Amino acid sequence: GNSVTQMEGPVTLSEEAFLTINCTYTATGYPSLFWYVQYPGEGLQLLLKATKADDKGSNKGFEATYRKETTSFHLEKGSVQVSDSAVYFCALSDLTGGFKTIFGAGTRLFVKA
Amino acid sequence: NAGVTQTPKFQVLKTGQSMTLQCAQDMNHEYMSWYRQDPGMGLRLIHYSVGAGITDQGEVPNGYNVSRSTTEDFPLRLLSAAPSQTSVYFCASKSGGRVENTEAFFGQGTRLTVV
Repeated sequence: GNSVTQMEGPVTLSEEAFLTINCTYTATGYPSLFWYVQYPGEGLQLLLKATKADDKGSNKGFEATYRKETTSFHLEKGSVQVSDSAVYFCALSDLTGGFKTIFGAGTRLFVKA
Repeated sequence: NAGVTQTPKFQVLKTGQSMTLQCAQDMNHEYMSWYRQDPGMGLRLIHYSVGAGITDQGEVPNGYNVSRSTTEDFPLRLLSAAPSQTSVYFCASKSGGRVENTEAFFGQGTRLTVV
């Protein structure tokens, strides 16, 4: 079945550091890939998405490229801010799964001033 | 602009009690679902619905019931609460069309503690 694996956290960085959060997936079809972010005490919200191979999703300085050959969708940001402290979830959905969005375990990011 | 509204935000139950978590969306979305979030396990799908009158089980359905009598509402019922159901519960909705492309919209969550 479909699954998502992302790097364990927590990840602690200083402000302006470079961020990478790794995400790999297993899917039988051709999934769409998503990154969601959860700020403390809130629900999840979409950060970015990519719907086909080689697509790059981007938002708020974050980027992720859909790599079919390595089944990966790593999240990157060139310079993190304290306000980026949150939990980040990689997710996928595809036609065979219908509405079912499959989430990774989440990676907590702490950014120190 | 309400989006997805969940109530209550916090709840403490005793073992064996029953209760209903409410979820309502005002975006006319066809698809709705319930997830539970536990530390280190991400979000796990409990039940989902592809439209009014249609529901199906997700990954961890035991101990929970759902119904979808209207497009807007998708309540989750705990039949006999157990400590293993202590978790944060999220309701989500999604529009129709190419469902694999559309983002899910989440409520703020319900933090449930069963003692």
